Amino acid sequence: RKEVEQDPGPFNVPEGATVAFNCTYSNSASQSFFWYRQDCRKEPKLLMSVYSSGNEDGRFTAQLNRASQYISLLIRDSKLSDSATYLCVVNPNSGYSTLTFGKGTMLLVSP
Amino acid sequence: GAVVSQHPSRVICKSGTSVKIECRSLDFQATTMFWYRQFPKQSLMLMATSNEGSKATYEQGVEKDKFLINHASLTLSTLTVTSAHPEDSSFYICSAIAMNTEAFFGQGTRLTVV
Repeated sequence: RKEVEQDPGPFNVPEGATVAFNCTYSNSASQSFFWYRQDCRKEPKLLMSVYSSGNEDGRFTAQLNRASQYISLLIRDSKLSDSATYLCVVNPNSGYSTLTFGKGTMLLVSP
Repeated sequence: GAVVSQHPSRVICKSGTSVKIECRSLDFQATTMFWYRQFPKQSLMLMATSNEGSKATYEQGVEKDKFLINHASLTLSTLTVTSAHPEDSSFYICSAIAMNTEAFFGQGTRLTVV
């Protein structure tokens, strides 16, 4: 089982749609979880951290299920500018010593 | 916010030559920086952890003699790809942690070896 697995993409959705990304991780001792966004040929940028209680930032909602080792990202009311690759990122340690990246799921929002 | 600057953003070199990539933390000190490599349609793969004032820690399968890392100061780490070959062509990205919070990434370097 890969360390961090994400839905294969791409996801093609119309503007205004709701889209959900799923991610599973293999290391049950993992401590921190994140969603990063990467635009084509650019560096990844933090979208949001994922907390055990779940967290929401505008149109974006992240959920964590430690028992199932599962993370999700929900995007509501998709915008054209949301088109990017979304990376599920896991830190297996208590500090920030390493980050393990999923392969990423590409989202394409069309008019 | 914290900024990590990486240079150059793009480089084309001949096979057999060496290429140096710089990664700077502009407004914070980074005792640890990370170097990643990303092939097309692949995830970022950690190559090595660069530690200020000491030797880098390389991930399994990454040749330390080929990918030389120097972390000479708290704001600068360099990655030198020695005797580059076409298979080394990739997107190289550095990152640093600011105040033990968020990981910030450099802009990345697209290396093409011809």
